[in-house]
Amino acid sequence: QAVVTQEPSLTVSPGGTVTLTCGSSTGAVTSGHYPYWFQQKPGQAPRTLIYHTTNKHSWTPARFSGFLLGDKAALTLSGAQPEDEADYYCLLYYGGTRKAFGGGTKLTVL
Amino acid sequence: EVQLVESGGGLERPGGSLRLSCAASGFPFSSYAMSWVRQAPGKGLEWVSGISGSGDTTHYADSVRGRFTISRDNSRNTLHLQMNLLKAEDTALYYCAKEVGAWYWGQGTPVTVSS
Repeated sequence: QAVVTQEPSLTVSPGGTVTLTCGSSTGAVTSGHYPYWFQQKPGQAPRTLIYHTTNKHSWTPARFSGFLLGDKAALTLSGAQPEDEADYYCLLYYGGTRKAFGGGTKLTVL
Repeated sequence: EVQLVESGGGLERPGGSLRLSCAASGFPFSSYAMSWVRQAPGKGLEWVSGISGSGDTTHYADSVRGRFTISRDNSRNTLHLQMNLLKAEDTALYYCAKEVGAWYWGQGTPVTVSS
């Protein structure tokens, strides 16, 4: 089973910019993995921020953007707000209904 | 409005069984693949199982293959997860999720496996 890797933790200053990445043990992440990014705050269910590499949901703040960076998927937060402090998970598809989550990145805004 | 409501969680002994359900509304249920995702206390998300809209294609994580069975009843807009031979490491909050485009998530149902 594929292993999806993320930075365990990152810190960003209020108003600052940070990039989270998502790699795969099977090789380069491509658009064919349909990369997703989810945000989860304590005590809440996850919610979709980015789907299919770059697409935003209607509730996704404009300061979040998704893209491919080298051989990984990436999520950039530009202009961090205190409410962006959360856990962020990427998800990759591996064919059919097979998929795997990364271990998550705990983002601190400090 | 998409709504997903999980039920069926609880306390079960190792080796026992539980059947989780997820009642879906607000979208054409049979048109969407669905997944079960779990989160152990203080841990990250783990994809458990997925099923196509028609129900004819299913996949499982290695950790549950052979013990868990995903199914769906498109006439009742309901997703199920039959969990057999439960282990302590199956203890988690179990979410159902609607796939395709942005995922939508329920609030989860807790499962505790303990003697």
